[in-house]
Amino acid sequence: DTAVSQTPKYLVTQMGNDKSIKCEQNLGHDTMYWYKQDSKKFLKIMFSYNNKELIINETVPNRFSPKSPDKAHLNLHINSLELGDSAVYFCASSPGTSGGQETQYFGPGTRLLVL
Amino acid sequence: KNEVEQSPQNLTAQEGEFITINCSYSVGISALHWLQQHPGGGIVSLFMLSSGKKKHGRLIATINIQEKHSSLHITASHPRDSAVYICAVKAGNTPLVFGKGTRLSVIA
Repeated sequence: DTAVSQTPKYLVTQMGNDKSIKCEQNLGHDTMYWYKQDSKKFLKIMFSYNNKELIINETVPNRFSPKSPDKAHLNLHINSLELGDSAVYFCASSPGTSGGQETQYFGPGTRLLVL
Repeated sequence: KNEVEQSPQNLTAQEGEFITINCSYSVGISALHWLQQHPGGGIVSLFMLSSGKKKHGRLIATINIQEKHSSLHITASHPRDSAVYICAVKAGNTPLVFGKGTRLSVIA
């Protein structure tokens, strides 16, 4: 039933580890996004994929690597985690290719804490 | 670079009050979004508009393109409206730019 789902919901890990967050949407949408919400609750886009192709990469460190095996999935892999990576990561999707000119549907978020 | 400013940052209201949250931006846009983030963290899209006014239940969103300003109104506010309301704008080929949000608390 869930439109946009993310796993895990919570992730606590040590500095230097590598971790992945998965996102799936069952809405048949063509575009998927990753957003980061920092401790001040400020949302910022990280990546956008359209039909498995990267269309936005917003000055994100190379340690972050999105992977889209098909248009229903957009996973986020993070290497060598740092304290500053602690945040809530939201996945979202939208129907077409107009990005911010369409309604976006958000996942529940993954709360990452790096110790 | 588009700057998005929301006001107020925090708002406390009594149940039943009419509430207005404002969003101003600095460059021409093609679309503006209002999002609601619940206390539990989930984000829901409320409106997307590029001109005029939209209404959904007790929520009304307006935009004035010339003045680069949008307002979100809540009529007959209720404690369940307590949330953070976030404005985001789309301009040209740039990705969505978000405001810092307005935290609303409605007290019974």
